[in-house]
Amino acid sequence: DTGVSQDPRHKITKRGQNVTFRCDPISEHNRLYWYRQTLGQGPEFLTYFQNEAQLEKSRLLSDRFSAERPKGSFSTLEIQRTEQGDSAMYLCASSLGLLHEQYFGPGTRLTVT
Amino acid sequence: AQTVTQSQPEMSVQEAETVTLSCTYDTSESDYYLFWYKQPPSRQMILVIRQEAYKQQNATENRFSVNFQKAAKSFSLKISDSQLGDAAMYFCAYRSDLTQGGSEKLVFGKGTKLTVNP
Repeated sequence: DTGVSQDPRHKITKRGQNVTFRCDPISEHNRLYWYRQTLGQGPEFLTYFQNEAQLEKSRLLSDRFSAERPKGSFSTLEIQRTEQGDSAMYLCASSLGLLHEQYFGPGTRLTVT
Repeated sequence: AQTVTQSQPEMSVQEAETVTLSCTYDTSESDYYLFWYKQPPSRQMILVIRQEAYKQQNATENRFSVNFQKAAKSFSLKISDSQLGDAAMYFCAYRSDLTQGGSEKLVFGKGTKLTVNP
């Protein structure tokens, strides 16, 4: 059990470019969550999956954001036409089930210039 | 919608002393869970302690304990015998009771930065 991993750890991109982040949950965790954390704030929920089904999306997840978990294992979060306001730490978490705690990954820090 | 408020942006404590971090929340739900997470600098967030709202007994994990006041909607974290490794951002978080169909998302406060002085 190697914990939740995220790739890349850092990403610098120019405004208007598309970026994609990957999250690998702890094996056998059927739930996977995405959060966004800006400087000086706590994490804010974006979306979550149970297996491959995306069950809830926050209003923060504009139409430029899309998340997938095609085989119920790893997940990707894509941001299209990035804006400076997208600069943040993107956190992924996974859990074993309904009553279990969420384990967080190290995050992907996105900087949009 | 639920909200979580941490009114102390920063706190400091001397090594081996005790410190209490405050958290209040707002909800109309009767059953829910509360958490304290620790986020060390440049490291991932880890769960420190959790409290089920239906339990009257305050949760304890080694040097960490909570004071849960349901009527006051208050959930403070006490760290005893503080150690240098306790220095981190501490986030209070709320989650609905999932068995009643609530959301699985965690709602976080803005965090309290704890400094431990040697």
